[in-house]
Parts: sequence; structure tokens; C-alpha cells
Amino acid sequence: GAGVSQSPSNKVTEKGKDVELRCDPISGHTALYWYRQSLGQGLEFLIYFQGNSAPDKSGLPSDRFSAERTGGSVSTLTIQRTQQEDSAVYLCASSLSLYSFVDEQYFGPGTRLTVT
Amino acid sequence: AQSVTQLGSHVSVSEGALVLLRCNYSSSVPPYLFWYVQYPNQGLQLLLKYTTGATLVKGINGFEAEFKKSETSFHLTKPSAHMSDAAEYFCAVSASGGSYIPTFGRGTSLIVHP
Repeated sequence: GAGVSQSPSNKVTEKGKDVELRCDPISGHTALYWYRQSLGQGLEFLIYFQGNSAPDKSGLPSDRFSAERTGGSVSTLTIQRTQQEDSAVYLCASSLSLYSFVDEQYFGPGTRLTVT
Repeated sequence: AQSVTQLGSHVSVSEGALVLLRCNYSSSVPPYLFWYVQYPNQGLQLLLKYTTGATLVKGINGFEAEFKKSETSFHLTKPSAHMSDAAEYFCAVSASGGSYIPTFGRGTSLIVHP
């Protein structure tokens, strides 16, 4: 079946512009996660959604970052007034349920964001 | 709180040689442990996971890992490296009573020489 998809695959933007990154999770997965991957820094957790519950935003690095998930499916990560330090690969993942320690996460291919 | 340490940001091996990628975790309760692989320009995919039961876990592509509680380790091994194994490998831990969000290590880049 279809995996997690993300768009765009690459985004180049000028400093100060807003960007939107999209994630389509696997159908039936109630949990959705956003991570940021910077060179040599591993995966930095940003935010998760579980079903229709309020998201955990504890990982968002600043108030310029926000995310929403519509209809319990597609999610959009928005970065306002982008800065050069926002340049990274943004990964989306989904899993059957957040409330399981053993469910694996399925990752999308990521969006490479470059802020010039 | 849980944490993961991957020793060595880069590991270089010759084709056909043993692959050993190290992962140590910290958790006050029994952990659930994962290894993910990331090929260039792709997302992460699960190689294997340990939940309960047998401590030697076999995964895809000939990889296996052994959970050693006494050493708080979950090292990843493969007897004979292939060129196609060149990738970034991430160890992750989650633990009951802690955050449902897995904690990932910084990753180890495996380089395979012909």
C-alpha cells in the first residue's frame, strides 16, 4: 500500500518568507509526527498528533513554527518568517497509535528546506 | 527520562567484513529498542525492534541486534557488509512510563569500501 508522502521534496526560500510543508500519512494511522533532521544532529522531535486530541507542541523551537492536521489525516507544518537556521530536512512519520511503545513509525522521504 | 548514545558518527568497513554499530541506552524501566536505516534522500525505515522475549532480534537485510540489559546496550551487527548497506543508522528507545515519543540517537553513517 501507499506509504507516507511529503511535498514538496525540496524547497528553496528567501529569508523572511513563510513556507508550508505537507504530509500525507498512511491511511488508518492515528498518530502523526514531525521531526527536523539537521546535519550531524540526528532527529529533533517537533510535534505530534494523535487522532483528534490536542497536539503536543512541546518540541517546536519557536512560535514561528506551527502545525495542523485536518480531518485526522493530512498535516501541514508552517514556518513563518524563515531564518537560515531553519534549513534542514523535515521528516514526517505516522504510526498506528501514539499510545503504544512498540508500534514502529513509518517515515516519509522528507522535505529539504533551504533558506537563502 | 530515556536517552540513547550511538558511539561513532562514522563507521567504515570493507565489503565482506563484519559490521558493528554501537548503541547504548539509558532508561529506568524496561526499554523498547529500535534500529532504523536511512538511505540517501529517503526517510527512515525499520530494521528491527526489541520489545520483550528473545534478546537476539533478527531484522531485514541480514542485520541482527542483541539486547544486553547488564550492559544497557543494543548493538547492531551484520556478518558480512555489502556495498548496498551504506546508509545512516539510527538507534531509538521508548519506555513504558516515559514519553510515547521515541528518543533517537544522533545516527551512525556506515561507509562500505570495495
